[in-house]
Amino acid sequence: NAGVTQTPKFRILKIGQSMTLQCTQDMNHNYMYWYRQDPGMGLKLIYYSVGAGITDKGEVPNGYNVSRSTTEDFPLRLELAAPSQTSVYFCASRQTSGGGNTGELFFGEGSRLTVL
Amino acid sequence: AQSVTQLDSHVSVSEGTPVLLRCNYSSSYSPSLFWYVQHPNKGLQLLLKYTSAATLVKGINGFEAEFKKSETSFHLTKPSAHMSDAAEYFCVVSVGGGTYKYIFGTGTRLKVLA
Repeated sequence: NAGVTQTPKFRILKIGQSMTLQCTQDMNHNYMYWYRQDPGMGLKLIYYSVGAGITDKGEVPNGYNVSRSTTEDFPLRLELAAPSQTSVYFCASRQTSGGGNTGELFFGEGSRLTVL
Repeated sequence: AQSVTQLDSHVSVSEGTPVLLRCNYSSSYSPSLFWYVQHPNKGLQLLLKYTSAATLVKGINGFEAEFKKSETSFHLTKPSAHMSDAAEYFCVVSVGGGTYKYIFGTGTRLKVLA
């Protein structure tokens, strides 16, 4: 079982370039999340989705866009890359539960992005 | 509003000695709390979770945590550290209210000395 798969694992961008980070999960999870991790800052939520066709902003959405056309895929697009977007990006998913927030998050291995 | 504070950014212990990683939380709801571990260049893995059942929660690799409502704490412990425990640990609280979002602490890096 692959779980949550992210590509690419590493990428260097020039300022102003655009790119898409791919995320796929094979667990049939409705909920998917994109986080960025900066040293000493924990993980910050960029965008999340509660199902195909439904997305919403998290804490730090500026400079990013997402789409969710299928249950499996949740790509994150960076438009006009800036040095402030240098970070490690994690995609995560969780099961739909009957209620509450008790679900475990399953994480990909991360995508390390450097903007020069 | 929900928040989580990890009281130590770095903890060093000797192999075979106890581990204590401290976490305090703030929540308007009855919280769900989690501890995740991240080994270098890897994703996060769930160690254990509290979801309003037993207040003492046992996780993987010998870790456990106790939910103390009166102290708003959820500290992570292990009786005897192993070299393989060296990693970064994150305390996480659910936002609640049906939002399905989570707040992460800033992490504690555990170093295990031989």
